[in-house]
Amino acid sequence: AQTVTQSQPEMSVQEAETVTLSCTYDTSESDYYLFWYKQPPSRQMILVIRQEAYKQQNATENRFSVNFQKAAKSFSLKISDSQLGDAAMYFCAYRLTGNQFYFGTGTSLTVIP
Amino acid sequence: NAGVTQTPKFQVLKTGQSMTLQCAQDMNHEYMSWYRQDPGMGLRLIHYSVGAGITDQGEVPNGYNVSRSTTEDFPLRLLSAAPSQTSVYFCASSTPGQTQYFGPGTRLLVL
Repeated sequence: AQTVTQSQPEMSVQEAETVTLSCTYDTSESDYYLFWYKQPPSRQMILVIRQEAYKQQNATENRFSVNFQKAAKSFSLKISDSQLGDAAMYFCAYRLTGNQFYFGTGTSLTVIP
Repeated sequence: NAGVTQTPKFQVLKTGQSMTLQCAQDMNHEYMSWYRQDPGMGLRLIHYSVGAGITDQGEVPNGYNVSRSTTEDFPLRLLSAAPSQTSVYFCASSTPGQTQYFGPGTRLLVL
C-alpha cells in the first residue's frame, strides 16, 4: 500500500522567518512524483511545488523549496520569509505513473505577525 | 478558461436518496479523479479515469459510481446516500505527468 505521512498536524512560524514541513512516504515504485499543495480557508487546492523522483536536484519555486531524500523517502517543504498569506493547510502528495494520487493528512500552518 | 468546475457547491441529502455530483473540465485533460476530504484524513481517492470510457477504483470506492463518456465530464453518483458519505468532494484533472488541477469542491451533508 502507498502511504504518505505528515507527522506535524500543526506548525507555527513568525512572519519573515523560515519553517520546514515534514513528509515521508512509502512506496516500492521507482518512478513517481511528489507534490505539496496548499489549501487556504477557501478550500481551493493550490499547487505549491512538485518534484520528479528521477531528478536529484531539489525543486524550488520562489520562497518555497523542497529537500528530497529519495533513499530515506522524505520530502520536506521549506518556506522562507514567511508571509501572512502562507497561512493554510499544507498537504504532501505522492503520485504513481498512472493517475493515482495519495495524500497525507495535512499540516496546519499558522503565521504569527 | 473555466478550468475544473463542480456543481453543486453545497447539497443536503436524506439517507437513502441518490444524487450526482457534476465535474467538468475544459482543458482537454485525459486524467480525472474524485476525492473526498474528511477532517484529519486528508484527501482520499474515490475513483479515477485515464480517458473517456476508462475508469478505475481508488482507495474508498464503496457507495460511489462513476462513468466517463466524454473527455470533459466525470460525474460521481451516490446511489443510496449514507451519513458516512458526509464530506467535501473534490474533482481534479491533469494530463499524464503533469500537475493536477482541482475544482472548488462540493460540500455534502447526509442526514
